[in-house]
Amino acid sequence: AQTVTQSQPEMSVQEAETVTLSCTYDTSENNYYLFWYKQPPSRQMILVIRQEAYKQQNATENRFSVNFQKAAKSFSLKISDSQLGDTAMYFCAFMKHGGGSEKLVFGKGTKLTVNP
Amino acid sequence: NAGVMQNPRHLVRRRGQEARLRCSPMKGHSHVYWYRQLPEEGLKFMVYLQKENIIDESGMPKERFSAEFPKEGPSILRIQQVVRGDSAAYFCASSPRLAGTRTDTQYFGPGTRLTVL
Repeated sequence: AQTVTQSQPEMSVQEAETVTLSCTYDTSENNYYLFWYKQPPSRQMILVIRQEAYKQQNATENRFSVNFQKAAKSFSLKISDSQLGDTAMYFCAFMKHGGGSEKLVFGKGTKLTVNP
Repeated sequence: NAGVMQNPRHLVRRRGQEARLRCSPMKGHSHVYWYRQLPEEGLKFMVYLQKENIIDESGMPKERFSAEFPKEGPSILRIQQVVRGDSAAYFCASSPRLAGTRTDTQYFGPGTRLTVL
């Protein structure tokens, strides 16, 4: 079974600075996807970024980028130029590719606070 | 294009009653997933459905919980004889079926917060 670990329960950052959230996972699969979801106080789950395991290039979406280290099973999220609206819970998630079941396995989350 | 819709947003039930949670996937999406989030926890997978089929229910409790996704209408997660431990946020997600692929990003609804008194 796959597991996802987020070792930082809480983090804070000053507005306009950069912060990195850690995520490690454990799997014997070779083909999979990794995701970061954001859950603001509204509790809506919002997709931030996704990475296909077969791609070596790290995914980027505007101010959000990942550092995907497949051999180390590490998938960290970097937020540049942090904004107050980035304050939220951030969840790392794993999805096995194929096999009939495409469920997401989530970590416990990191609570990020952006301070003015 | 409307997103994933869930209703009700908040549901209060007394112990022993039934709870019905509804999910309408995004237009064009034929895959529906249900997740449960306990307080201070991440989301936990419950069940994966396609139209008229349960594909994976490995995360569903064996008793009192059931799910369906009929040919017409929303997906329903039903909890019979609710207990206080069922209090949680229940999220539905949907994904499209793309030609030549079996996996794609899941888009989440706003969730239903169930409180059992």
